[in-house]
Amino acid sequence: DTAVSQTPKYLVTQMGNDKSIKCEQNLGHDTMYWYKQDSKKFLKIMFSYNNKELIINETVPNRFSPKSPDKAHLNLHINSLELGDSAVYFCASSQGIMNTEAFFGQGTRLTVV
Amino acid sequence: EDQVTQSPEALRLQEGESSSLNCSYTVSGLRGLFWYRQDPGKGPEFLFTLYSAGEEKEKERLKATLTKKESFLHITAPKPEDSATYLCAAASTDSWGKLQFGAGTQVVVTP
Repeated sequence: DTAVSQTPKYLVTQMGNDKSIKCEQNLGHDTMYWYKQDSKKFLKIMFSYNNKELIINETVPNRFSPKSPDKAHLNLHINSLELGDSAVYFCASSQGIMNTEAFFGQGTRLTVV
Repeated sequence: EDQVTQSPEALRLQEGESSSLNCSYTVSGLRGLFWYRQDPGKGPEFLFTLYSAGEEKEKERLKATLTKKESFLHITAPKPEDSATYLCAAASTDSWGKLQFGAGTQVVVTP
């Protein structure tokens, strides 16, 4: 029974398209995150939601818009995709914003061609 | 600006050959230092959290230690299944829920 699940696992799309990545957690956590892992393997936080409220919004192009319909779900919508958006996107969750132990999903590899 | 630096970038070990990974951190106020393991094509898997200098934690062949400026992950008598990328991350007292990750150390253990 997967704790943090993302769909899709792979996403190949053309420049200029709009796409969404979905994330669901069944751990009962109240905080969820989106991280981006670039080609050099650096993991960088993009957004964080606590109880459906946005609490972290890093310097990310406004083409990226997270949406949290409830505590168990955090989706990421990306408009007008660019080549530089190609990366692996990870969803994670934790209990509380102090983030003592974050559980990660398996990642979504986005390739923009 | 918060920064986390890991060394070496890559480490190749023979089975049974113990070694240590280094994580140097610069944060405004350390709330916690985290170690994760990442296998190819998977998300990071939580290993340890260390909160204060002098603290140590162990799990099977792994032992994490913390000083005021760095953390070490010691791998004792590694096995091939310990092959993975090990990520270090720091959380500061003034950044809620935000983990600053290092680039990781890729460890390969050969039989």
